[in-house]
Amino acid sequence: NAGVTQTPKFQVLKTGQSMTLQCAQDMNHNSMYWYRQDPGMGLRLIYYSASEGTTDKGEVPNGYNVSRLNKREFSLRLESAAPSQTSVYFCASSEMSGPRHPYNEQFFGPGTRLTVL
Amino acid sequence: DAKTTQPNSMESNEEEPVHLPCNHSTISGTDYIHWYRQLPSQGPEYVIHGLTSNVNNRMASLAIAEDRKSSTLILHRATLRDAAVYYCIHYGQNFVFGPGTRLSVLP
Repeated sequence: NAGVTQTPKFQVLKTGQSMTLQCAQDMNHNSMYWYRQDPGMGLRLIYYSASEGTTDKGEVPNGYNVSRLNKREFSLRLESAAPSQTSVYFCASSEMSGPRHPYNEQFFGPGTRLTVL
Repeated sequence: DAKTTQPNSMESNEEEPVHLPCNHSTISGTDYIHWYRQLPSQGPEYVIHGLTSNVNNRMASLAIAEDRKSSTLILHRATLRDAAVYYCIHYGQNFVFGPGTRLSVLP
């Protein structure tokens, strides 16, 4: 099993460009998440999908959109990238539905390092 | 929002025990306490979780205070591979990873 995979690993954008970060998991998990991590900081939740067909905002959703394409895939889209969105983006998945489920062990992907010039 | 406080950094010698503290004064009665760690250039990985009782697994032990307002992650014998940032989290309004504790392990 590959676990959680993310593409691309690195990306450089110019201000105003758009792009989609892809995430897939092969563990048949119900919930999927997108986080960002700024230098020297912890992770902040952008959006999550508690189950297929649902998405909800996290702590920092502005400037992003998400799509839960199917149970395996959860994409994050930046419609008009800004330098403030320079960060490392992590996708995660968990078997239990929702970020507040008590047994919610999350499995993380390797991250996408995004730079917006 | 759920908030935890941890020391910014700690240091340990290899093969010695390490006690990583966490304060979570806003925890509610049903919030589990989770610990994750993040190795350099990797995504976080789950370490352990608990509610009220002390917990053990192959990676670590978790000691939870009786009032549940603090907990301690215990690595029984630190190795160089344990050098990482350790995050203590509990579920409140939002699932929040704070800055964590950067653990350095000295050979």
